[in-house]
Amino acid sequence: DAGVTQSPTHLIKTRGQQVTLRCSPKSGHDTVSWYQQALGQGPQFIFQYYEEEERQRGNFPDRFSGHQFPNYSSELNVNALLLGDSALYLCASSLLARYEQYFGPGTRLTVT
Amino acid sequence: GENVEQHPSTLSVQEGDSAVIKCTYSDSASNYFPWYKQELGKRPQLIIDIRSNVGEKKDQRIAVTLNKTAKHFSLHITETQPEDSAVYFCAAPPDGYALNFGKGTSLLVTP
Repeated sequence: DAGVTQSPTHLIKTRGQQVTLRCSPKSGHDTVSWYQQALGQGPQFIFQYYEEEERQRGNFPDRFSGHQFPNYSSELNVNALLLGDSALYLCASSLLARYEQYFGPGTRLTVT
Repeated sequence: GENVEQHPSTLSVQEGDSAVIKCTYSDSASNYFPWYKQELGKRPQLIIDIRSNVGEKKDQRIAVTLNKTAKHFSLHITETQPEDSAVYFCAAPPDGYALNFGKGTSLLVTP
């Protein structure tokens, strides 16, 4: 039973560039949430996707966008990168209308 | 929205002792309270959770208690072992099924 997977593991980008991060949910799960975890902080909710639509969004600017595919996998896109976007980006999968979320290993993004 | 406060931020205990981490939340409508363990460089792992219709839940050496009136919940780890050393996060849903996390407690268990 495959758990949540994310790619790439690490990424280095320059300020102003754009980045795409990918996530495959745990087998059987249909809902994907994205979180940003700054160093020494708890994860912060970015948004959640179900049935290829954004269902809920946290307090993040429009530079952060996402997509969910028919196979439930998801992408997180960040445009016009800022130094402050450097963080660990975590994907969590769950079942619709269930609270229990299971995290992937994350993508470490460094913006220089 | 939901505000989750967690304390202490660091906790050091001797192997075999108990550890307690507390969280408070602001939204009385919140009804799900998970605890995650995150080892250095690894993903947060769900270790135990509790719903608002239950006051306490145990799983071997870990337990979570919930006081809905006071709007706080706690993680209890008994007979601590060095492998319990990690950062622990509490969380609560602000609305829908998203989670708001506390800032974390760094637990160190010394042999």
